[in-house]
Amino acid sequence: AQTVTQSQPEMSVQEAETVTLSCTYDTSESDYYLFWYKQPPSRQMILVIRQEAYKQQNATENRFSVNFQKAAKSFSLKISDSQLGDAAMYFCAYRRGGGGADGLTFGKGTHLIIQP
Amino acid sequence: DGGITQSPKYLFRKEGQNVTLSCEQNLNHDAMYWYRQDPGQGLRLIYYSQIVNDFQKGDIAEGYSVSREKKESFPLTVTSAQKNPTAFYLCASSTSRTGERDNEQFFGPGTRLTVL
Repeated sequence: AQTVTQSQPEMSVQEAETVTLSCTYDTSESDYYLFWYKQPPSRQMILVIRQEAYKQQNATENRFSVNFQKAAKSFSLKISDSQLGDAAMYFCAYRRGGGGADGLTFGKGTHLIIQP
Repeated sequence: DGGITQSPKYLFRKEGQNVTLSCEQNLNHDAMYWYRQDPGQGLRLIYYSQIVNDFQKGDIAEGYSVSREKKESFPLTVTSAQKNPTAFYLCASSTSRTGERDNEQFFGPGTRLTVL
């Protein structure tokens, strides 16, 4: 079974600074996807960024980027120029690749606090 | 506007009663999912369905049942056999094709179920 581990229950960063959220995973599959979701106080889940395991290039979406280390099974999220609106729970998630539509396996989340 | 609706937002039930949570999507997605969220636990997969009239158990299916009679609808019944039903329930949907940006899961706003 796949597992996803987020070792930081809570992180705090000053506005405009950079913060990195950690995620490790365990799988025997070679084809899979990794995701970071944001859950603000409204509790709506929002996809932040995704990474396909077969792609060596790290994904980037504006201020959000990942450091994907496949051999180490590590998938960290870097948020640059942190903004107050970035404050939320962040979840790392895994999905098996290939066809079909399996469910996601989530980590327990990291609560990100942005200090003004 | 396309999206996923879950109703109601808050639901209260007495212990021992079955309750059905609604999930409807107009995204023309084949696959639908139910997740449960508890404090400090992240999201856990209850059931998922890749196509009408077919569904599979997720990691925590005991005490729950689902049906998939229509592509747009995937209701979840929390039965009296579920020992700790109080939680936040999230429904999601996705396509089920293999592709670079396919299979992204879109989430509904969630239903908070409280069993008294």
